Amino acid sequence: KAGVTQTPRYLIKTRGQQVTLSCSPISGHRSVSWYQQTPGQGLQFLFEYFSETQRNKGNFPGRFSGRQFSNSRSEMNVSTLELGDSALYLCASSLETFPDTQYFGPGTRLTVL
Amino acid sequence: AQRVTQPEKLLSVFKGAPVELKCNYSYSGSPELFWYVQYSRQRLQLLLRHISRESIKGFTADLNKGETSFHLKKPFAQEEDSAMYYCALGSTGGGNKLTFGTGTQLKVEL
Repeated sequence: KAGVTQTPRYLIKTRGQQVTLSCSPISGHRSVSWYQQTPGQGLQFLFEYFSETQRNKGNFPGRFSGRQFSNSRSEMNVSTLELGDSALYLCASSLETFPDTQYFGPGTRLTVL
Repeated sequence: AQRVTQPEKLLSVFKGAPVELKCNYSYSGSPELFWYVQYSRQRLQLLLRHISRESIKGFTADLNKGETSFHLKKPFAQEEDSAMYYCALGSTGGGNKLTFGTGTQLKVEL
């Protein structure tokens, strides 16, 4: 099976702009989770979607949002970008929505100037 | 609140020496614990989880609820074990949220 894919792989934006990142899970996986990885804070959970519903949400401001489509593909959106949003954004998929093995994508590197 | 602590940012050992990567967690319920590994220029991947009790690539980890620890061990380090290792705690309150530790960079020297 093909692994988790994320697009784009690299993105450069300026402060105040918004950005949309995309994640395609492994075929058959219904749970998609998003994480932010930075040198200072490490890996932090953003949110999880399962069957088009948000199941969990981390401690991030409302500027961070996401959605999941009927084919399980997911997008996350960050509005009014700040310099501190520069990070690697990782998407992970798994079969179910209880603590299960998560398969990670390669990430999208977002740089905010 | 859930918390995972990995006290060592960097652990350097010689090839053939034993390895122990420490992980302590804080969680009031029944924990679901994982070790994830990231090799150079590769994506984050599962190494092992406590519920499966498997030994992967010679690594084992035992859950000690009394000490709230889930240390990762290998009796003889290999050069290919050099990587970043993350301990993670799954949320049993529903959902698939992982709380990660800050990671330990393992360097195996020849």
